[in-house]
Amino acid sequence: QVQVVESGGGVVQPGKSLRLSCAASGFTFSNHGMNWVRQAPGKGLEWVAIIWFDGSQKYYADSVKGRFTISRDNSNNALFLQMNSLRAEDTALYYCARIGQNGAFDMWGQGTLVTVSS
Amino acid sequence: DIQMTQSPSTLSASVGDRVTITCRASQSIRSWLAWYQQKPGKAPKLLISKASSLESGVPSRFSGSGSGTEFTLTISSLQPDDFATYYCQQYNSFLKWSFGQGTTVEVK
Repeated sequence: QVQVVESGGGVVQPGKSLRLSCAASGFTFSNHGMNWVRQAPGKGLEWVAIIWFDGSQKYYADSVKGRFTISRDNSNNALFLQMNSLRAEDTALYYCARIGQNGAFDMWGQGTLVTVSS
Repeated sequence: DIQMTQSPSTLSASVGDRVTITCRASQSIRSWLAWYQQKPGKAPKLLISKASSLESGVPSRFSGSGSGTEFTLTISSLQPDDFATYYCQQYNSFLKWSFGQGTTVEVK
């Protein structure tokens, strides 16, 4: 089955860390750039980070730069997001999304919820 | 950074209506624009890429047009399954991707 499945979300205190994972299956993971996109409760979509198909380049939204790190393991078809120094405003549903042939995000997971609260 | 502005924010329509949503970019993005549909509690779904290229499996009542800074998503005859929120996204800037704020199509 062609899909991506996120995991690792939960409730965490401000200032703490969390690591999200995204497991890919049914397609050649190493051929695709991958992204994290988040959606705060009741709000719109916010792009968070992107990693090239081979991991050679990574880019971040200004809101997370210096705190979040995107990485991937092509041998295990996995994408990660290491989130440090978490803030209340990082509370959101985090989606893993694949870059398709035309450059848009053609496959999304169901998301994993991160809640930053004391 | 490139800002994406959608209008309207909310659109009230009836089944069978022709619906048009506009997305404006703060600078030219050529044709690097995508449209997504999101229903409550669900992940976004890609409808259109490269401004006008319909994704496989997406009904032909959906169409996209535009280039540069102004783009439109049109639903030629609104169906019950189309009540949802729609987002545009630019991917011209390969350092910072960005979404519009969304347009909710609701029942009139």
